[in-house]
This record gives sequence, structure tokens and C-alpha cells, in this order.
Amino acid sequence: GNSVTQMEGPVTLSEEAFLTINCTYTATGYPSLFWYVQYPGEGLQLLLKATKADDKGSNKGFEATYRKETTSFHLEKGSVQVSDSAVYFCALSSQSGGSYIPTFGRGTSLIVHP
Amino acid sequence: GAVVSQHPSWVICKSGTSVKIECRSLDFQATTMFWYRQFPKQSLMLMATSNEGSKATYEQGVEKDKFLINHASLTLSTLTVTSAHPEDSSFYICSARTSGYEQYFGPGTRLTVT
Repeated sequence: GNSVTQMEGPVTLSEEAFLTINCTYTATGYPSLFWYVQYPGEGLQLLLKATKADDKGSNKGFEATYRKETTSFHLEKGSVQVSDSAVYFCALSSQSGGSYIPTFGRGTSLIVHP
Repeated sequence: GAVVSQHPSWVICKSGTSVKIECRSLDFQATTMFWYRQFPKQSLMLMATSNEGSKATYEQGVEKDKFLINHASLTLSTLTVTSAHPEDSSFYICSARTSGYEQYFGPGTRLTVT
């Protein structure tokens, strides 16, 4: 079956540091890949996505590249801010039995200190 | 982007009573909605897939008679937790999928059963 593996958190960084959150996946077919962000007490917000190999999704300074050869979709940001503190979920969506079923990673908590 | 609302945002109920949570897609039609449960500091657990006009598809281990799902229109799905118990206390999140297979999440409903 499909699965998503994310690096264990929490990730603790100082403001303006470089961020990488690793994500690898296992899926049949050609999944679409997503990063979602969840701020405390809130639901999930779509951060970025990529639908085919070598696509790069980007938003708010975050980016991730769909790497089919390494089955990875690592999230990066060049300079984090305190306001980026949140939980980040890597996810995939692939066709299964005629429908697209989402699969989420466990989430990685990011804490950014001033 | 697309907006999904949930109501209520939080609810406290007594053990043995039932609680209904609404999920609405405000500016798009969603033939498919998902219901998730999230425990503290954990990932989302998919409970069921709700398709407009048909019965919901429940994930393994989720009691369909306890968690009643109704997807009566293209913009509304409801989750009713019947005969709630303290172990049902959790954060319930819905999402609605667009025709382009993007998922947009509601802000979540915090349920506390006393």
C-alpha cells in the first residue's frame, strides 16, 4: 500500500536558518505529492504541491521537488521566520480502486526561535 | 483558494449523547469529502470517505454505526458521533476535494466528551 515517511521532529531552528524536512514515499502508479501546514489549534492548509516527476512546488518561500528516482519530496526554505513555527505534513494522493485516496505522513513539528 | 468550513469549532457534550459536526465547501462543489481524526501531536487518521448521494466508505477499524456520515449535497457533509464516550474526545477535521483532486481542509472541530 501507499505510505509516507517524514523525518522525526521537532525541528528547532533559529530565525533565518535554512530548513529541510525530509519526506519519502511509497506508492503505486504516479501519485501527486503535497505539503500541508497546520498551525496550533487549526486545520490543515495546503502549502504546495507537485503532480509529476521533476515538478517543483513553491509557496511563501517554501519549495519541494518531486523526485521520482529517489521517491522523495523534501521541503526546503532558505530563511525561516518565527511565524513558520507549525506542524508540516507530507502527503500523497494516488488512484486506488478508481478513487484517489490521500495518505499522510506523521507530521514534523517546526519550532523557530527569534 | 477554496474554503471549507466546519461547525461547530468546539463542542463539549455529556457521555451518552450524540453530536453532529458539519463540513461545508463554501465556494466549490465537492463530490468527495473526507473525515479525519487527529490525536494530540499525531498525524491525521482517515476515518471515512464521503461521496455525495451514496454511502460513506469507512476505513478499517472505524465503527460506521458510531460515526454516522451523511453527504446530502455537493457542499455539505455531516459526521454524527452517536452515544459519545470520553474516548471519542478528539480533533475532527474534514476535507473536501475539488474536481482537480486538490484537498482543502476545514479548521477542525474539538470534541470533548465528559
